Amino acid sequence: NAGVTQTPKFQVLKTGQSMTLQCAQDMNHNSMYWYRQDPGMGLRLIYYSASEGTTDKGEVPNGYNVSRLNKREFSLRLESAAPSQTSVYFCASTVLDWGSDQPQHFGDGTRLSIL
Amino acid sequence: AQSVTQPDIHITVSEGASLELRCNYSYGATPYLFWYVQSPGQGLQLLLKYFSGDTLVQGIKGFEAEFKRSQSSFNLRKPSVHWSDAAEYFCAVGWGGGGSNYKLTFGKGTLLTVNP
Repeated sequence: NAGVTQTPKFQVLKTGQSMTLQCAQDMNHNSMYWYRQDPGMGLRLIYYSASEGTTDKGEVPNGYNVSRLNKREFSLRLESAAPSQTSVYFCASTVLDWGSDQPQHFGDGTRLSIL
Repeated sequence: AQSVTQPDIHITVSEGASLELRCNYSYGATPYLFWYVQSPGQGLQLLLKYFSGDTLVQGIKGFEAEFKRSQSSFNLRKPSVHWSDAAEYFCAVGWGGGGSNYKLTFGKGTLLTVNP
């Protein structure tokens, strides 16, 4: 089925370890996004990529890096994980026309715990 | 800067009762407004959206929302709540330079509990 696929779904890390979260979409969307969701905080934008080859910081970029590998894939990397990065991470992609039925498509999330 | 406020962190209603979830936004231009629902352990599902035109918009699962520019509000309503509506609800405003630069800013969410 068409959509946004995130891997892994769950991960436990130790403080200081590194980790890359993967995201791929098969809808030929130009823009892709990484959010984190914490209790009582809603979703906050970490980084986004308006098109292949470009990335920009969002609201909470510290401690993260991203790579837009190609049009389909947008990865999020934690170089040295910290307990404050324990969260649920969502990837999303968006069409150019926000008048369409589903402007942003979300993946199912990656639940990341850092001990 | 854009922002979204959902004043109610947690709401409890009885099954069959009516529901209204509040959302206020701050944005300098004409907003794109959205309501999403998230069931426990799941991703986000779009309930409805407002772009322009009729200020009362209909969504899935029997939900509707009304855009009131004078009050900077986009409240979500349902006339009769079902137990399956128990979830967390997020209001969001879409903004940006157009096309690929569109982004969403979310409110902090309202958790809905439905009593039998």
